[in-house]
Amino acid sequence: GAGVSQSPSNKVTEKGKDVELRCDPISGHTALYWYRQSLGQGLEFLIYFQGNSAPDKSGLPSDRFSAERTGGSVSTLTIQRTQQEDSAVYLCASSPTRHPSGAGELFFGEGSRLTVL
Amino acid sequence: QKEVEQDPGPLSVPEGAIVSLNCTYSNSAFQYFMWYRQYSRKGPELLMYTYSSGNKEDGRFTAQVDKSSKYISLFIRDSQPSDSATYLCAMSSGNTGKLIFGQGTTLQVKP
Repeated sequence: GAGVSQSPSNKVTEKGKDVELRCDPISGHTALYWYRQSLGQGLEFLIYFQGNSAPDKSGLPSDRFSAERTGGSVSTLTIQRTQQEDSAVYLCASSPTRHPSGAGELFFGEGSRLTVL
Repeated sequence: QKEVEQDPGPLSVPEGAIVSLNCTYSNSAFQYFMWYRQYSRKGPELLMYTYSSGNKEDGRFTAQVDKSSKYISLFIRDSQPSDSATYLCAMSSGNTGKLIFGQGTTLQVKP
């Protein structure tokens, strides 16, 4: 596909369950970002990857949240023991920027909408 | 206090009006300033990109950055119903890849 692909598009889960959200970035994009968008809120930064490493994971809300990226491509965001306050749209973006000092254009996916009951 | 402040609106204007959207920020290290547009249930898409202070024009859209006041603006001329969306400002210091977003302003342009 030409754009950033995220799955699932919608996920409803029960409190306490683990969830995995997947992001498939645009081919060749070295930078990958995860953001969270709650109702009526802006985008909250979670983590940023350059290649397979994460130079900035300062936005992860707690140790229940983790993310990895393999092969410089697909990324998975995992939320363990989900809580109701985790309900949000999780957006992934990729960028062709190779140098961390360059703030290039971010290309966003359509997001994964998570609802924790 | 958030690093980036943006009035969430909503802002409702008649078709053809000039729209002004604004953000203020507190981090003087920010050098890269962007405006993203987000339609309902879609991901944001880049609208305007400026580096440091000054103006940039692209069709009906003009972005302004005033670093001395830590204030950025987006102007939309001859607004159209298709401009109805949420507009998010975003900025970065360039020292890291992290982009900080404002809360977003919801705009409705009525025919």
